[in-house]
Amino acid sequence: SAVISQKPSRDICQRGTSLTIQCQVDSQVTMMFWYRQQPGQSLTLIATANQGSEATYESGFVIDKFPISRPNLTFSTLTVSNMSPEDSSIYLCSAGPGGTEETQYFGPGTRLLVL
Amino acid sequence: GESVGLHLPTLSVQEGDNSIINCAYSNSASDYFIWYKQESGKGPQFIIDIRSNMDKRQGQRVTVLLNKTVKHLSLQIAATQPGDSAVYFCAENTVGNQFYFGTGTSLTVIP
Repeated sequence: SAVISQKPSRDICQRGTSLTIQCQVDSQVTMMFWYRQQPGQSLTLIATANQGSEATYESGFVIDKFPISRPNLTFSTLTVSNMSPEDSSIYLCSAGPGGTEETQYFGPGTRLLVL
Repeated sequence: GESVGLHLPTLSVQEGDNSIINCAYSNSASDYFIWYKQESGKGPQFIIDIRSNMDKRQGQRVTVLLNKTVKHLSLQIAATQPGDSAVYFCAENTVGNQFYFGTGTSLTVIP
């Protein structure tokens, strides 16, 4: 299984600012994903972070608001731009070795509060 | 994304009893499913998975059952322990390796 770390683990930010969340995997993985989890809710997929190409966003999420980088097979970042209180959430990174029917593992999450 | 839902949002069981958590999925083309456990303040933790060519898979104290006819998935936990208290999610794998999650069931084990 892959071990995934995220930084920061939590942050409190002001409205209108941006925060970049880092995700590091301890081994090379083909697939990396970013999810959002509102308090007491399920996980919603934001986008697939593709290595060497632009991220693939799910309906309701756009690159201008959630730019994603994937410079190599072990690292990705998610930026939450021009934040508002509605962006307060837990942001989770996941990774999998790739291919269909492959397990995905999750990082511990970044808890974001926007004031 | 696909709709993956759970029948019971909360479940309380006595320690030592068996727990059953249910999940319905909507995409008949989904061919891989995972159950995750999420404890407070942590990311989801893999429990067990099952492929669509199987209808049952067993792990340590856990069993997953898949009924493709009615698009239903269940997680059975044997001899439930206080450490099993958490929120449980089923996740459905579609093309492109994306996983879509159900709403979650909060399991509380009563000592």
